[in-house]
Amino acid sequence: QSVLTQPPAVSGAPGQRVTISCTGSSSNIGTGYEVHWYQQLPGRAPQLLIYGNSNRPSGVPDRFSGSKSGTSASLAITGLQAEDEADYYCQSYDNSLGAYVFGAGTKVTVL
Amino acid sequence: QVQLQESGPGLVKPSETLSLTCTVSGGSVNGYFWSWIRQPPGKGLEWIGFVYSSGSTNYNPSLQSRVTISIDTSKNQFSLSLTSVTAADTAVYYCARARRDYGDYFFDYWGQGTLVAVSA
Repeated sequence: QSVLTQPPAVSGAPGQRVTISCTGSSSNIGTGYEVHWYQQLPGRAPQLLIYGNSNRPSGVPDRFSGSKSGTSASLAITGLQAEDEADYYCQSYDNSLGAYVFGAGTKVTVL
Repeated sequence: QVQLQESGPGLVKPSETLSLTCTVSGGSVNGYFWSWIRQPPGKGLEWIGFVYSSGSTNYNPSLQSRVTISIDTSKNQFSLSLTSVTAADTAVYYCARARRDYGDYFFDYWGQGTLVAVSA
């Protein structure tokens, strides 16, 4: 069981906005450690989507945005597209475990 | 464009040692941290550890007693050794580059992954 909690699944119609939460604690997100997000398309390796809570690497569409507040972070996808169907993982550092940790992942389905 | 490629046996017997190598192309291993991350079938991601180009390491405490990550800068490669494997170590193993801007480390380049099964 991960110390970063994500909903197992979210869904939305094309064009809609969906959000994925990543809830941590005082030993990770709440302490000030940054949150990063990865997209894993079916059968593929994860790809960096958001780093440093809210920064997009070059090439990532601005439909993807990240935010952080307190012990939680969120990934928002606006203008949902069929190609966004994937698993999404948040990542941070936990000073109690002494390890970089990932959430269990959220499967996004485009209806 | 940095590219990473994992290589090694796809099948390891229980109690033996899992050994994988990651070859980096399109850039140098010098000046960066390099990591191994694994994903059991149908499950989430688990960070295994880092090696810096100097050879210094940082391991996940949950695996530390069984893990060694090393680097060969002359070959632009780094390697993973995991001892005393069990079926629970069956996973897709990814190599990745770790980077940070002003804050904490994240993984910006990943290999395609290699499935390692532990079975007699």
